[in-house]
Formats: sequence, C-alpha cells, structure tokens
Amino acid sequence: LAKTTQPISMDSYEGQEVNITCSHNNIATNDYITWYQQFPSQGPRFIIQGYKTKVTNEVASLFIPADRKSSTLSLPRVSLSDTAVYYCLVALLNTGFQKLVFGTGTRLLVSP
Amino acid sequence: DAGVTQSPTHLIKTRGQQVTLRCSPKSGHDTVSWYQQALGQGPQFIFQYYEEEERQRGNFPDRFSGHQFPNYSSELNVNALLLGDSALYLCASSSGQGSEDFGAGTRLSVL
Repeated sequence: LAKTTQPISMDSYEGQEVNITCSHNNIATNDYITWYQQFPSQGPRFIIQGYKTKVTNEVASLFIPADRKSSTLSLPRVSLSDTAVYYCLVALLNTGFQKLVFGTGTRLLVSP
Repeated sequence: DAGVTQSPTHLIKTRGQQVTLRCSPKSGHDTVSWYQQALGQGPQFIFQYYEEEERQRGNFPDRFSGHQFPNYSSELNVNALLLGDSALYLCASSSGQGSEDFGAGTRLSVL
C-alpha cells in the first residue's frame, strides 16, 4: 500500500477555507484516495473519497491532479467544530480486502 | 439505524491479564476490522474478519486473536497484556463495497 505524507499540523480561523495537501508518490493504479476525520476519543469518520480530478460532497472537496501523486482536501468556511485530526489514505477498494493504512494525520486547529 | 458499537468503552487491566473486546458492526455490513491506536498516533491495522475467518492480518503478535460470529459481530482477544498494549482499540465494519465505518472505540489501560 502506498505511503502518504501530510503536514503534521495546520492552524486556521473560523470562516476561512482550509486546504490540506497529501503526497502519495507510489499510488497504484487501482488505489483510491480517502480522507477521514477524527475527534478526540472517537473513531475516524469518513469524509470523502476519489480516484481522479475533483470530488465534492456536502462537507468537503477533494482535488486530485492527473498524475495522482498528491491530493488536496478542501474544507470551505471552517468552524470551531472542524478542529480535528485529518487522515489521508490510499486504499484498494471494492475488493472486500480493504486494509486502511493510517499515517499520523494532520492536526487542524480552528480558532475564533 | 445503529452504527458500529463497541463494548466496553473503558477497561483497566494489569500486566499478564487477558482481555476481550466486543464489536457489533453496522447493519448490512459483513466485514469487521480491528485497529489499535496509541496516543498521538494513527490507527494501526490488527486484522480483518469476513465469513467468520481472519482474512488479513497486520504486524501484531499472536497474543492478539479474534473471532467473528454468524451474526457478523466480532471479538478481539489480547493475552498476556503488556504495558504497551494500552491504547484505543477501534472496530470498523464495511460491506466490501465502500468505506469503513468506525466505532467509538474501547480505551484499554494496562497497569
């Protein structure tokens, strides 16, 4: 499974857009890019997943360039409740043999 | 519709003891995975169960074992507990067609 690299921490203010970039140079053809959010003492929560170009849902957007060696999670107009750890993963899906490999994640702190 | 539920929420054990953690997957999910998350680290994959059999295993010793029941629920057993086994143990379930849903975890403290 491809290894991911992302910033250890980021700071932002309420109402700003936050972009967290993840590097995954060894991503395989069949790997999807997945992001999870985790609050203290809770399990990770799925945010968004994509294969290429751009994916958008009600909470975030995921931008993936053509070479797929990196991806950017975009959180529009963050609030204090978005303070959490965000994990970027690559995973082979839809085979029933998915195994998620988490790194140390990016700790996002949103201030008033 | 209940999501993934884990019990107990907290547990305190002493070195050398054995512990059993339990997990009920989200309705409609048949695959259960277990993860260990040490403080300040990301979750680390322990193993995955499907059709009552261990399908994949991470880099964990044989002291860690598990079981899946016909109703898809699962147990994680850890024998001969070490201080380093203190962590948040997460259960995740999936249907094999999408992302995994995680439970809130069991916080295990080994004294």
